[in-house]
Amino acid sequence: AQSVTQLDSQVPVFEEAPVELRCNYSSSVSVYLFWYVQYPNQGLQLLLKYLSGSTLVKGINGFEAEFNKSQTSFHLRKPSVHISDTAEYFCAVSSDRGSTLGRLYFGRGTQLTVWP
Amino acid sequence: EAEVAQSPRYKITEKSQAVAFWCDPISGHATLYWYRQILGQGPELLVQFQDESVVDDSQLPKDRFSAERLKGVDSTLKIQPAELGDSAMYLCASTSRAAVTSQETQYFGPGTRLLVL
Repeated sequence: AQSVTQLDSQVPVFEEAPVELRCNYSSSVSVYLFWYVQYPNQGLQLLLKYLSGSTLVKGINGFEAEFNKSQTSFHLRKPSVHISDTAEYFCAVSSDRGSTLGRLYFGRGTQLTVWP
Repeated sequence: EAEVAQSPRYKITEKSQAVAFWCDPISGHATLYWYRQILGQGPELLVQFQDESVVDDSQLPKDRFSAERLKGVDSTLKIQPAELGDSAMYLCASTSRAAVTSQETQYFGPGTRLLVL
């Protein structure tokens, strides 16, 4: 089975500062990795995903993430955050092997709060 | 832009009562998921449908929860009787591919927030 660890439950940052949200996963098989964002009282929206190929993945709203197989990590970064980036961010993993196809395993989430 | 619809958005009920949540996926989406998200945690899969068939309900508490997708389109999740620990956000998601694959993006609805008193 797969599992995801988000190392920081809360990340406060000032506007226009860079940010990194950390994610580590555990799996014995090849995985696909996702970052979703959830604004208050809303569903989840996909930011980006890694399936294969280039380990640097670019997503919406200026976010990017880097897949590091040796460290089993998939950290999310943004060089300059905005107030509107304040939200909960979830890292998730899935696999075509050893689990139900399409099933996502989520981390506990990281609350990003951007201060003016 | 097509969206996953869920209703109601909010539900307050007393323990031992029955509650039902409805989800209408994006048109043409064959795979539908129900997740439960407890406050402060990430979503956890309850049940997965491929068309009208259940693919995975291993995490569904079957003594009190039931889910159906009779015509392979919209779906209903029911809890009877509700317990205090069922208070959570219930999220519905769907994916577009006819054949289930773990690479597909899941599109989420706004969720139903349930409070059991």
